Amino acid sequence: GAGVSQTPSNKVTEKGKYVELRCDPISGHTALYWYRQSLGQGPEFLIYFQGTGAADDSGLPNDRFFAVRPEGSVSTLKIQRTERGDSAVYLCASSLDRAGEQYFGPGTRLTVT
Amino acid sequence: GDSVTQMEGPVTLSEEAFLTINCTYTATGYPSLFWYVQYPGEGLQLLLKATKADDKGSNKGFEATYRKETTSFHLEKGSVQVSDSAVYFCALSDRGGNTPLVFGKGTRLSVIA
Repeated sequence: GAGVSQTPSNKVTEKGKYVELRCDPISGHTALYWYRQSLGQGPEFLIYFQGTGAADDSGLPNDRFFAVRPEGSVSTLKIQRTERGDSAVYLCASSLDRAGEQYFGPGTRLTVT
Repeated sequence: GDSVTQMEGPVTLSEEAFLTINCTYTATGYPSLFWYVQYPGEGLQLLLKATKADDKGSNKGFEATYRKETTSFHLEKGSVQVSDSAVYFCALSDRGGNTPLVFGKGTRLSVIA
């Protein structure tokens, strides 16, 4: 079956611009996670949704970052006033429920110039 | 806070060699421990896991034992193949279930024929 998909696969934007990154989880998965992976590092947790609500947003680095999941399926990570330090691969994962295995998407590579 | 430290790569081995990738962790509770693998051009995949002390996770010839006394979860394989070339990430979850995951920096393994 279809796995987790993320669009776009690559995004280049200028410093100060606004970007949206989309994640389509596996159908029926109630839990959805966003991670950020900088070059040479492991993924770092950003935010976790259970259904439509953000159950844990403790990893969001500052208030420029925001994520939504209005219908409990697709999620959008939004970054305002992008900075060069935001350049990274943004990973999305979903699981059947909170206790289940996380399945990762291929990621969106964001480059801020 | 919670953290994972794994040996730095890259690691280069000949086919059929023995593999060990060291992983140690720091956690306040009783975490679940994981190894994830990222093959070239693919997303992160769960390789194996262990949820309590002395548990051994195993999959595809890889194994790792949860050692509470040494706070370690070293990955081993008796005979590596070229197809095992990938980046391996050790991770933990300290809040129940599988979320959020705290990852190590990753170890790149290259196996040459």
